[in-house]
Amino acid sequence: GAGVSQTPSNKVTEKGKYVELRCDPISGHTALYWYRQSLGQGPEFLIYFQGTGAADDSGLPNDRFFAVRPEGSVSTLKIQRTERGDSAVYLCASSSPGLAGSTDTQYFGPGTRLTVL
Amino acid sequence: QQQVKQSPQSLIVQKGGISIINCAYENTAFDYFPWYQQFPGKGPALLIAIRPDVSEKKEGRFTISFNKSAKQFSLHIMDSQPGDSATYFCAASKGYGQNFVFGPGTRLSVLP
Repeated sequence: GAGVSQTPSNKVTEKGKYVELRCDPISGHTALYWYRQSLGQGPEFLIYFQGTGAADDSGLPNDRFFAVRPEGSVSTLKIQRTERGDSAVYLCASSSPGLAGSTDTQYFGPGTRLTVL
Repeated sequence: QQQVKQSPQSLIVQKGGISIINCAYENTAFDYFPWYQQFPGKGPALLIAIRPDVSEKKEGRFTISFNKSAKQFSLHIMDSQPGDSATYFCAASKGYGQNFVFGPGTRLSVLP
């Protein structure tokens, strides 16, 4: 079946602008995660959704970052007043209970590369 | 306590050789340890994962060795191939619904 998809694949914006990044998880996956990956580093956790609610948003760096998942499927990561330091690859992952031996596995999308000029 | 350390930062191996990447963690609440492979411009892809109740897990050419007392685990790639050239990340989590804590990554180059 289809994997996790993310759009756009690349986003270039100017400092101070607002951006939205979209994630389509694997169908039926109830858990959805956002990570941020800076160049040459491992992914860093931002926020985790279980269904429609944000179960853990402790990784969001500040109040310019916000994410929603209104119907428990697609999620949108929103960044206000973008700064050059926000430039990174934003990764989305999903997982689901019920698959024997793989409940903890997270499946990642290809990411959105955000460049803030 | 949330940190996962990984070494080496980069690794060069001849085709057919063994690639070994090591990771260490501090938080004893971690109970799931996956390894991810990432090619340039792609998202991380799960390679193999282990839980602390076993000391070794093998899938094809890939083996995880796990030392619970030392809080260390490693990835061994046997018969390394040029197609294995990628960045490898170890990670740890406390289970379903918990975020992954990733190591900084190891860039592997397998020479033909």
